[in-house]
Amino acid sequence: EVQLVESGGGLVKPGGSLRLSCVASGFTFSSYTMNWVRQAPGKGLEWVSTISSTSNYIKYGDSVKGRFTVSRDNAKNSLYLQMDSLSAEDTAVYYCARDPWSGDYTGVWYFSYWGQGILVTVSS
Amino acid sequence: EGVLTQSPGTLSLSPGERATLSCRASQSLSSDYLAWYQQKPGRAPRLLIYGGSSRAANIPDRFSGSGSGTDFTLTIRRVEPEDFAMYYCLQYGDSGTFGQGTKVEIK
Repeated sequence: EVQLVESGGGLVKPGGSLRLSCVASGFTFSSYTMNWVRQAPGKGLEWVSTISSTSNYIKYGDSVKGRFTVSRDNAKNSLYLQMDSLSAEDTAVYYCARDPWSGDYTGVWYFSYWGQGILVTVSS
Repeated sequence: EGVLTQSPGTLSLSPGERATLSCRASQSLSSDYLAWYQQKPGRAPRLLIYGGSSRAANIPDRFSGSGSGTDFTLTIRRVEPEDFAMYYCLQYGDSGTFGQGTKVEIK
């Protein structure tokens, strides 16, 4: 069974930093492109970032470009999101999500499996 | 990046009725790179449809997707009680963009 478990969320002050983690199990993590998607309270979904299986391809949404950094450690079956220069607009539930198929490729595809999400609150 | 506009914002239906949800893209989508998701309160989204019309694994056949180019539709043939939820479309390929969502509520 595919499982994705996010951690590292919490309350952070504006201008601060936070690092989210997502631990994967039930599939060969190193073979899959992974993604971050967020959802502000009471709002819709927003794609944040994508990283390919080998980290050769990385892409960010415009609202986080230059502030967020996605990375992965295939030996630890883990995906990360380093979030810097946080503002209130970054307050959201952050989901880790997996691509539908394995391989090393470019592009942003649809998301087949999702974690349960982790809340990040940016407030003074 | 293109914009996806979903309509209506809210759809009020009785169980057993047909639901028709629209997703319009500001630019034509290559190869029908359009997916649909269902989300219930406090839960992660669930993939329903990808490639415009392909049903994801374990999705009941009352859910169907259609359309091409800029106009896409999610149809729920006969709405079941468990289908009342938010629905989002997603365009993918070069980047990812979600529509703002349609709420399907009990009339």
